[in-house]
Formats: sequence, C-alpha cells, structure tokens
Amino acid sequence: EVQLVESGGGLVQPGGSLRLSCTASGFTFSTYWMTWFRQAPGKGLEWVANINQNGNKKDYVDSVKGRFTISRDNAKNSLFLQMNSLRAEDTALYYCARDIDFWGRGTLVTVSS
Amino acid sequence: EIVLTQSPGTLSLSPGERATLSCRASQSLSSSSVAWYQQKPGQAPRLIIYATSSRATGIPDRFSGSGSGADFTLTISRLEPEDFAVYFCHQYGMSPQTFGQGTKLEIK
Repeated sequence: EVQLVESGGGLVQPGGSLRLSCTASGFTFSTYWMTWFRQAPGKGLEWVANINQNGNKKDYVDSVKGRFTISRDNAKNSLFLQMNSLRAEDTALYYCARDIDFWGRGTLVTVSS
Repeated sequence: EIVLTQSPGTLSLSPGERATLSCRASQSLSSSSVAWYQQKPGQAPRLIIYATSSRATGIPDRFSGSGSGADFTLTISRLEPEDFAVYFCHQYGMSPQTFGQGTKLEIK
C-alpha cells in the first residue's frame, strides 16, 4: 500500500523557517518524481515544487523561488521542503505527492506573529 | 502561467443523474497532461483522471474524461452518493503546474 506521511509543520513567525519531511513507503521511491503541493485554508490547490528521481532537476512556483528548497534522500525514502523567509501567504496545508497520482494527508504550516 | 477556469462553480444534482464538469485553459494544453481530482472535506485530493481520459487505479468506470486543445470535461455518468465532493482540474505539462478553482458537486 502506498503511503506518504508528512511532518514538520507548525506555527512560525513571519521571516522564520521550517523544514517539512515526507516519508514514503509501499513503492520504489527512487523511481518517481516527487512533488509538494499546498492548499490555503478554504482555498484551492497550488503546486509548490517538484524534483526528479535523482534530485538533479528541481522546479518551483515563482512565489517561493529563492526561499524554498526541495530535496530528497532516496536511501531513506524521504522528501523534504526547506522553507525560509516565510510569509503569511505561505500559510497552508502542505501535501507531499508521488508525482501527481498519490497524495499524503498533509502537514499544516501557519505563519503568524 | 496557464489559467484554468472551471464551470460551473457549484453543480446541484441528484444521485443517478449525469454530471458534466468543464475546465477551460487560457491556452492550448497537451492532452497528455490534464488531470482531475476529487476532494472531500478533511481529505487529501484523490486522482480520478490523468492524461485527459485515463482513469486512475481503482476509479470506477462511471468517471470519464475527455477534451483537447483548451477545453476539457469530466463526466460522471450516474452519480453515487459518494461522488458528491469538490473536483479540481490540473495541468501538469507546463511549468508552473496550475489548478482550476474547483467545482463543488452537491446533492440537490
């Protein structure tokens, strides 16, 4: 059974940092692109970033470029999102996904003073 | 950035009826890169359709997708009670990937 479990969310002040993690199981992690999506409370879906199988191709939505970094550790079946210089508009439920087809339950990030 | 516009915003139907949800793109899309998701309250989105018309694993055949160019459609042939949810279209062929704003399918 495919499982994706996100962690690392929480309450952070504007300008602060958080590192999200996603632990994968039930599939061969190293053979898939992986993606972070987010959904602000009561709002729609937004693609944040993705990374290819060996981590040498990464792409980001413009609003997070220079602030967020996606990475992965295939030996540990883990995906990460380092988020720096956080803003109120980054407040959302962050989902880890296997490419586009299977999503975790999400971890909530709240940016507020 | 490709803008996806879904219509209607809300669709009120009864179980057993046919649902047709539309997604229009601001420019022509690769039909190999259009997906539809179902989202219920408090749950993660669930992939229903990918590559315009391919059903995801475990999705019943009452769900079908079609379209080309800039116009795409999700059809649910006979609504079951569990189908009432919010549906999002998604283009993943061009960066940045983008989503429609969603169609809420509610019980009439």
